[in-house]
Formats: sequence, C-alpha cells, structure tokens
Amino acid sequence: AQSVTQPDIHITVSEGASLELRCNYSYGATPYLFWYVQSPGQGLQLLLKYFSGDTLVQGIKGFEAEFKRSQSSFNLRKPSVHWSDAAEYFCAVGAGEYGNKLVFGAGTILRVKS
Amino acid sequence: EAGVTQFPSHSVIEKGQTVTLRCDPISGHDNLYWYRRVMGKEIKFLLHFVKESKQDESGMPNNRFLAERTGGTYSTLKVQPAELEDSGVYFCASSQDRGSPSRWFFGPGTRLTVL
Repeated sequence: AQSVTQPDIHITVSEGASLELRCNYSYGATPYLFWYVQSPGQGLQLLLKYFSGDTLVQGIKGFEAEFKRSQSSFNLRKPSVHWSDAAEYFCAVGAGEYGNKLVFGAGTILRVKS
Repeated sequence: EAGVTQFPSHSVIEKGQTVTLRCDPISGHDNLYWYRRVMGKEIKFLLHFVKESKQDESGMPNNRFLAERTGGTYSTLKVQPAELEDSGVYFCASSQDRGSPSRWFFGPGTRLTVL
C-alpha cells in the first residue's frame, strides 16, 4: 500500500536560514508527488508537484523539491525562510487509477524564529 | 471567484450526538472529495463524488458516516452518532475534472471536537 512518511513533526529555523523538510514515500509505480502548505484558518495550498521529467521542481513562494527515486524521497527546500512561511507542510503521493487519491504524510509544523 | 467553503468552521458536540458538515465546492466543479485528519495523524481520504454520484467511498470509516451530494452541488457529511475518535479536521476539495490533484481546490476545513 502507498504511504508517505514525514519524519519531523516540528522544525524550528531562524528567519533567513535555509530549510529542508523531509518526505519519504512508498509506492509501486512512478509516483505523482505533491507538497502542500496549510496556514491557520486556510485550506491546503499546493506548493509544487512532480509527475515526471526534471527531478528538481520549482514551486510557489520560492520553494523547490527534489525527487530521488533511489532514496524514495521528495524533500522540500527553501534557501531563505521568511516569518510568513510558518505553517504546516504536507507531503502527498497521488494514488488510484488517475493518481487522484491523495495519500498524505502526517505533516511537519514549521516554526520560524526571528 | 469564491473558493471552496465549509461550514461550520468549528463544531463541538457531545458523544452520541449528530453533526452535519457542509462543503460548497467551486461552482461548476463536478468532482468533490472529502478527507479528514484525526488528531496528529495523516490526512486520509474519505470519499469522492462525481456530480451527485459516489465514485469512491472506500475511505468511509463505518456506517456512522453518511455523505450526500443532492443535485451535484454542495455536499454534506453527517456523523451519527458521533464518537470520540471522530474528532479531527474534515476537509473537502473540488475540481472540474477527475485528473491531477494539482487542479484541486481545498476548503479551510471543519474542526470537529467530540466530547
């Protein structure tokens, strides 16, 4: 069965520092991979996605992620974190016939200290 | 254009009571999905509507949960009777086609607390 693991429940970084959020997945075929962010009171917002091709994908808000098949990983990165990035981040894999049944990780809460 | 809306934003009920959650998708979106996040756990799929039909309800936990989408517009998710383990955040999402989740729009969620 498909699964997604986000090993870090909480991460705290200083404003301006770099960020990496880890995500490992288990999926039999080529995965469709996603990162979402949820700020308080808001819905889940798609940051970026990977379907195929270039393994380094760029997203919104300056985020990027790298797909590494050999490590079954899809880690999210940002070179310089802003206070407004404080939120909860979810990694997900698209399962099902159309890749449209999302299997999420448990989420990582990002705290940004000034 | 209005996004996906969910009502109420919060609900606190006693064990054994009934609660109905509502999701209004973006107008014209045939596909509607329900997900929930039980406290501290992963967000999990509940079911998928295409218009008023249940395309996939494999994630519904038990028969205390009833989802409807009469007329193919808004959807309701009723929990009757509610149990403590039903506490969590219930999300819905909508899309125009059944393809990639990159074209989904999520609502802000309803936080359900069962005491």
